[in-house]
Amino acid sequence: GAVVSQHPSWVICKSGTSVKIECRSLDFQATTMFWYRQFPKQSLMLMATSNEGSKATYEQGVEKDKFLINHASLTLSTLTVTSAHPEDSSFYICSARVAGSGYGYTFGSGTRLTVV
Amino acid sequence: ELKVEQNPLFLSMQEGKNYTIYCNYSTTSDRLYWYRQDPGKSLESLFVLLSNGAVKQEGRLMASLDTKARLSTLHITAAVHDLSATYFCAVAGGTSYGKLTFGQGTILTVHP
Repeated sequence: GAVVSQHPSWVICKSGTSVKIECRSLDFQATTMFWYRQFPKQSLMLMATSNEGSKATYEQGVEKDKFLINHASLTLSTLTVTSAHPEDSSFYICSARVAGSGYGYTFGSGTRLTVV
Repeated sequence: ELKVEQNPLFLSMQEGKNYTIYCNYSTTSDRLYWYRQDPGKSLESLFVLLSNGAVKQEGRLMASLDTKARLSTLHITAAVHDLSATYFCAVAGGTSYGKLTFGQGTILTVHP
C-alpha cells in the first residue's frame, strides 16, 4: 500500500534553533500533503496544506514564518520549525491523499519534537 | 466551519462487553473516517465510509454512517484488551475539499 515515510521519528533541539521534518511518499505521488500537530492527550490539528510547486495554505492562527513548508516535488514535503521554543514541543504528523484508494489517506509515522 | 464531536471522550470497558462510540458532525459531508492511535504512534486507518447507510466491519469493530443525521458510530463487540487505544473519527468536506477535521478522540481502556 501507499506509504509516507516521515523522518526523524524524534528530535530534541535547543530553544532558538530550527528543525526540519521530512515526509516522502515512497510508492505514489503526493500532490497534496497535510501537516498536523498533536499535543498530548489532544486531537490532531491541521496546521497547513501543501501542494506541489505552490505555496502552502496555512490554517488560521498558524504562523507562516515560523512553520515553513516546502513541497518542491511530488514525493517530498518538508516542515521546518524555525526558532523553536518549548511551546512548539509536540507530535507532528504528515498525511497525503492516495489517488485511487477509495478516498483514503495515508499518514506518516510522526515526529516527536522536544525543545529544551 | 465544520465541527466534529465524539462521545464519550473516555471509555473504560470490561473485556467481553459491547459499547458504541458516537461521532457527530456539523455540515454535509460524504466521507467519514475512523482511525486508531496507540500511545506514541501515528494513526492507523480503520474504516472509510462513503455513503449514507454504509456499514463496514473488521473483527470486533463495526462502523456505520447516517449522513442525514450527520452521525457515525463505531461499535465494539466483545471487547478485548488489544482494543485499548484512542479512536478518532474524521470528516472530509465542508468548504475545503480534501482537508480532514478530526473529532476529539475517545480513549478506550479495556479491563480484564
